[in-house]
Amino acid sequence: AQSVSQHNHHVILSEAASLELGCNYSYGGTVNLFWYVQYPGQHLQLLLKYFSGDPLVKGIKGFEAEFIKSKFSFNLRKPSVQWSDTAEYFCAVNPTGNEKLTFGTGTRLTIIP
Amino acid sequence: DAEITQSPRHKITETGRQVTLACHQTWNHNNMFWYRQDLGHGLRLIHYSYGVQDTNKGEVSDGYSVSRSNTEDLPLTLESAASSQTSVYFCASSESSGGSYNEQFFGPGTRLTVL
Repeated sequence: AQSVSQHNHHVILSEAASLELGCNYSYGGTVNLFWYVQYPGQHLQLLLKYFSGDPLVKGIKGFEAEFIKSKFSFNLRKPSVQWSDTAEYFCAVNPTGNEKLTFGTGTRLTIIP
Repeated sequence: DAEITQSPRHKITETGRQVTLACHQTWNHNNMFWYRQDLGHGLRLIHYSYGVQDTNKGEVSDGYSVSRSNTEDLPLTLESAASSQTSVYFCASSESSGGSYNEQFFGPGTRLTVL
């Protein structure tokens, strides 16, 4: 079975700092990759997704992620964070052809004004 | 606009009681999923359904059941609530992808407390 690891459990940054959140997965076949965001008190929303093509994908609100197949990684980045980016971020994977998602444990991001 | 709703949004119950959490989607999606979210565990899959009359167990299905009698609804039942089932429950739906990719759309969640 596939698994997803998010090693950063809680990240605290100041506004305008650069962000990189790690995500690694274990699965030998072709996968689809997702980052979801959960703002305080809200439901999960899709931030960005990768399923084929250019390994650098851009999402909403200035976020991007890079799929590095050799490293089984899909790290999330943002060059300059804002206070409104305070949220919990979840990486998820599903093997191509499988309708189920496997989520990582999440990274809580706190941005200090 | 299509949406996915959950009710109730908050529920307090006692150990041993049967509880049903509702999930209703107007996306006309075939796939529906129930997750629980706990600190340190992220989202874990409880049950899922790929269509009417289809139900499957996820990784944490013990003590839970679902039924799918129509496309729009997938109620989650806790047969005899336990304190370990205190959690936030999310319902999600997605379109059948046929092996491509499938974004899941999430409901607002139900916060359940079992005393």
